Amino acid sequence: AQRVTQPEKLLSVFKGAPVELKCNYSYSGSPELFWYVQYSRQRLQLLLRHISRESIKGFTADLNKGETSFHLKKPFAQEEDSAMYYCALSGHSGTYKYIFGTGTRLKVLA
Amino acid sequence: DAGVTQSPTHLIKTRGQQVTLRCSPKSGHDTVSWYQQALGQGPQFIFQYYEEEERQRGNFPDRFSGHQFPNYSSELNVNALLLGDSALYLCASSLEGGGFSNQPQHFGDGTRLSIL
Repeated sequence: AQRVTQPEKLLSVFKGAPVELKCNYSYSGSPELFWYVQYSRQRLQLLLRHISRESIKGFTADLNKGETSFHLKKPFAQEEDSAMYYCALSGHSGTYKYIFGTGTRLKVLA
Repeated sequence: DAGVTQSPTHLIKTRGQQVTLRCSPKSGHDTVSWYQQALGQGPQFIFQYYEEEERQRGNFPDRFSGHQFPNYSSELNVNALLLGDSALYLCASSLEGGGFSNQPQHFGDGTRLSIL
């Protein structure tokens, strides 16, 4: 079954501490993985995608096919990183369905 | 560019009624997807429209139907409403990726549907 699992509903860290938001997936084909973020009173927006292999706002995520994971990391958390983070999966060509995880709320404490 | 716009913002219906939600995609986008987001859950894929046709569907009953117009805007229709249909309904638009990969989705603010 196709599934995205985000095991933590809430993650609290202090400002300046490292952050790791976990995402594991189950998919029988070649997946495309995304992280979306929703800041307070804003709409859901793309943070990054695995095929871009870029760092956005200091966040990075590496696709580990062996562990079927796509964890989101940042070395030093900022207060403005506080938001709801969703991991999402889609397939390669011919598959248009997106599967979202249940989300992790990140709280960065001063 | 206002991005993806959805209407109405909020809607209250009773069981058994029918509802139509509307979505205008981001300028330049030709693909529209609809999602249902229950409280505390992630968005669940309902279906996607491209070239005025539904091209993929999630695990939703036939009570959920849609339409895409020549200007790429879209409607989501839900018949015979149930209490469990209460949720935030999100529309997302994207540009067709040419079959290689799925392009990022741009989301609207959603329509909050409450069923009494």
